[in-house]
Amino acid sequence: NAGVTQTPKFQVLKTGQSMTLQCAQDMNHEYMSWYRQDPGMGLRLIHYSVGAGITDQGEVPNGYNVSRSTTEDFPLRLLSAAPSQTSVYFCASSRSGSTDTQYFGPGTRLTVL
Amino acid sequence: GQNIDQPTEMTATEGAIVQINCTYQTSGFNGLFWYQQHAGEAPTFLSYNVLDGLEEKGRFSSFLSRSKGYSYLLLKELQMKDSASYLCAVRDPGGYQKVTFGTGTKLQVIP
Repeated sequence: NAGVTQTPKFQVLKTGQSMTLQCAQDMNHEYMSWYRQDPGMGLRLIHYSVGAGITDQGEVPNGYNVSRSTTEDFPLRLLSAAPSQTSVYFCASSRSGSTDTQYFGPGTRLTVL
Repeated sequence: GQNIDQPTEMTATEGAIVQINCTYQTSGFNGLFWYQQHAGEAPTFLSYNVLDGLEEKGRFSSFLSRSKGYSYLLLKELQMKDSASYLCAVRDPGGYQKVTFGTGTKLQVIP
């Protein structure tokens, strides 16, 4: 199994540009999440999904959209990038059991100029 | 919501034992995780506690006291490769079981 994969690994955008961060998992996990990690802030939840067709907002959803058309894929869209969105983005997946841990992808390091 | 506190940085000597503390104030609780994160890499799972007491897994142990809102991660026989950040995370009860992360403790192991 590849686990959780993310593309791209690095990205530089100009303010106002849009892009999609890709996330896929091959473990048939129901739950998927997007986090951003900033120095001194810890991991913060952006959006999450409890199954195909079901998404909801996390702690910091503004400026981001998600969709979940399949169990495997959970892309994160930046509609109009801003310098405040410069961060490292992690996708994670887990089963729905109460003791199940999250498995994280390798991350996407995004810089917005 | 959840408020989670961990020390920002710690330094310990190779071969020694180190304890990383985590305190939390929560509106609900359904378990506490510890993750390890090496610089530039993704977090990886270390331990999960939902009941009070000590969970041991090789060189790593994790302790939980729900009444005190307190957990610690104990690392024994420290190795240089243990230099990493250690993230404490608390899970909410409820359907999705949202996890809130602390800011992490950066551990440096020195010879």
